[in-house]
Amino acid sequence: GAGVSQSPSNKVTEKGKDVELRCDPISGHTALYWYRQSLGQGLEFLIYFQGNSAPDKSGLPSDRFSAERTGGSVSTLTIQRTQQEDSAVYLCASSYRDGNQPQHFGDGTRLSIL
Amino acid sequence: GQQLNQSPQSMFIQEGEDVSMNCTSSSIFNTWLWYKQDPGEGPVLLIALYKAGELTSNGRLTAQFGITRKDSFLNISASIPSDVGIYFCAGYLRGTSGSRLTFGEGTQLTVNP
Repeated sequence: GAGVSQSPSNKVTEKGKDVELRCDPISGHTALYWYRQSLGQGLEFLIYFQGNSAPDKSGLPSDRFSAERTGGSVSTLTIQRTQQEDSAVYLCASSYRDGNQPQHFGDGTRLSIL
Repeated sequence: GQQLNQSPQSMFIQEGEDVSMNCTSSSIFNTWLWYKQDPGEGPVLLIALYKAGELTSNGRLTAQFGITRKDSFLNISASIPSDVGIYFCAGYLRGTSGSRLTFGEGTQLTVNP
């Protein structure tokens, strides 16, 4: 399809394990964003990539969270030593460059930490 | 901290009724966006507003960018059952354009047939 693609759609793991979440943005979109949505809550900004610029990591909640974007396209969000409070839906969005452009979202990865 | 106040938190209406929800802030926004989220899916863009005072329609939906640039509303006319979902306002704060979107807490809409 032509939309933002995220995988896996669901992930269940044990506390203390590492997880990797993947995002394929819309082709041609240079800006990519990660958000976290807890049950019944709005979206919390995590990190933003724009082209070859240094990413804005100011929303990452702890040093257990990191993200990469390879080749200006696919991005991976990694959570190390997962905790139960990490359980949430992780949403990825992309936009055509930056500068007030609407962001288009994938369907998210629902992460459950046992 | 939370910079967008969205209200109401939830609405229960009868099919055919009109709906209005709004977002306010003490900060100035350059862009306002309205999204709808269905269970198990990501938010889907409904309307984008770029200029103070702008009034934009998308079918039965109408949204406005407040003159002060600190608020926006979304109206849905003649609601139907498929309007059920969570509606989020979002915006780019002045000075953060092209980076993070600030989201409201959402309005849960229930439409009774």
